[in-house]
Amino acid sequence: QLRLQESGPGLVKPSETLSLTCSVSGGSVGDYYCNWIRQTAGGGLEWIGRIYSSANINFNPSLKSRVRMSVDMSKNQFSLDLASVTAADTAVYYCSTDSKWFGYFDSWGPGTLVTVSS
Amino acid sequence: DIQMTQSPSTLSASVGDRVTISCRASQPIGSWLAWYQQLPGKAPKLLISKAFDLESGVPSRFSGSGSGTEFTLTISGLHPDDFATYYCQQYQDYWRTFGQGTKVEVK
Repeated sequence: QLRLQESGPGLVKPSETLSLTCSVSGGSVGDYYCNWIRQTAGGGLEWIGRIYSSANINFNPSLKSRVRMSVDMSKNQFSLDLASVTAADTAVYYCSTDSKWFGYFDSWGPGTLVTVSS
Repeated sequence: DIQMTQSPSTLSASVGDRVTISCRASQPIGSWLAWYQQLPGKAPKLLISKAFDLESGVPSRFSGSGSGTEFTLTISGLHPDDFATYYCQQYQDYWRTFGQGTKVEVK
C-alpha cells in the first residue's frame, strides 16, 4: 500500500519560497502521476500541479508562474517550490498520487500546514 | 477552468437517513468525476471514480450516478462514520477542479 508523507517548514515569510517534499513508500515515485493539492482554511481544495518523471509536468494556470516541481527517483521523493508567497498561500498542502493515470487522487499524504507570515 | 458547484453546502441528517449530494459541472465532463470524503483533520479519501465506480473497501451504501454536467452522491443509510465533508472533482480537463464541499452534520 502506497504511503505518502509531506515535509517542510511550517512557517514561511512573505515574498519567500515555500518548499515541500513528499516521501513515498510502498511503491516507486516513477510509476505514478505525483500531485500537489492545497486546502485553505475555508475548506476549498485547489489542485496545484502534477509531475511524471521530470519531463511531464502540468500546472494550475493560476499558479503556473510561481510553481516548480521535481522528482528525485533515487530518494523516491517529489518536491514543490512555490515562489513569492503571500498570506493567500497559507494552507494545508497535500501530496497525492494518481496511480491509474486517469486524473483522480487515490493516495494522499496526511497534509502539512504552511503559514505565510512575517 | 471547469467550475464545480455542489449543493447543499451543509446537510443535517440522522443515522439511518438516505442522503443525496449534488454536483454540477459548468460544462460537460462525461463521466470523469470523482467523489471524496474528508473527516476533520484528515486528508480526503477517494470514494468513487468515473462517476459511479466504488473504490475497493468503500461500503456499498455509497453510490454515485450522473453524467455530462449533473452528478449525485447517495448514502443509503447514514452511519455514524459518515458525518464528514464530501467533495466532487472533475478530471475531464487537465486543470483538475473540486466542488466547494458538502458538510454532512448531525441533525
